Amino acid sequence: EDQVTQSPEALRLQEGESSSLNCSYTVSGLRGLFWYRQDPGKGPEFLFTLYSAGEEKEKERLKATLTKKESFLHITAPKPEDSATYLCAVPMFSGGYNKLIFGAGTRLAVHP
Amino acid sequence: GAVVSQHPSWVICKSGTSVKIECRSLDFQATTMFWYRQFPKQSLMLMATSNEGSKATYEQGVEKDKFLINHASLTLSTLTVTSAHPEDSSFYICSASTLGHANTEAFFGQGTRLTVV
Repeated sequence: EDQVTQSPEALRLQEGESSSLNCSYTVSGLRGLFWYRQDPGKGPEFLFTLYSAGEEKEKERLKATLTKKESFLHITAPKPEDSATYLCAVPMFSGGYNKLIFGAGTRLAVHP
Repeated sequence: GAVVSQHPSWVICKSGTSVKIECRSLDFQATTMFWYRQFPKQSLMLMATSNEGSKATYEQGVEKDKFLINHASLTLSTLTVTSAHPEDSSFYICSASTLGHANTEAFFGQGTRLTVV
């Protein structure tokens, strides 16, 4: 069964304290892995798409990497405005459609 | 990225009434739209997938008669919660895609907070 697991469930950081979020997946024939940011009471905001092991993408203080089994979202010198829930998702073909399977997310809180 | 507009952003309704939520893709034609439900501190749960001009495909456990989905055009899909009850209170989010999420990112609406009293 295709699954996406994120860890940790919640993470509290001091401003400037770098860390990484993990997304492990078990899917047959990965066709992309997506990272999203979700602020409270809002829809997910697209961050990155990764397609193959070894690929890396960066955006400001965020860098996403991908291996054959997992993806990491590295946050360098985070600021309070980086506080949000970070979701990863993979597409799964089922019932004639490609659907996104989401992990449960990591709730990140960055304190000044 | 592409813009998906969802309306209303929040709604309060009385138990037994119906509520319609709209999802529009503003700058691209979405062949496929997805409707999700999200409970507090939980991830997104896919409710149904809709293609323009055809019936929606519902996930297991989602009542078709309770959650009516219409995808009348390439830019508009609606979700109607019929005979709403307090347990239907939740955060509903739509997303739109040109290829049904195949190798493309999905763009999400801002969500609708439904409270049934």
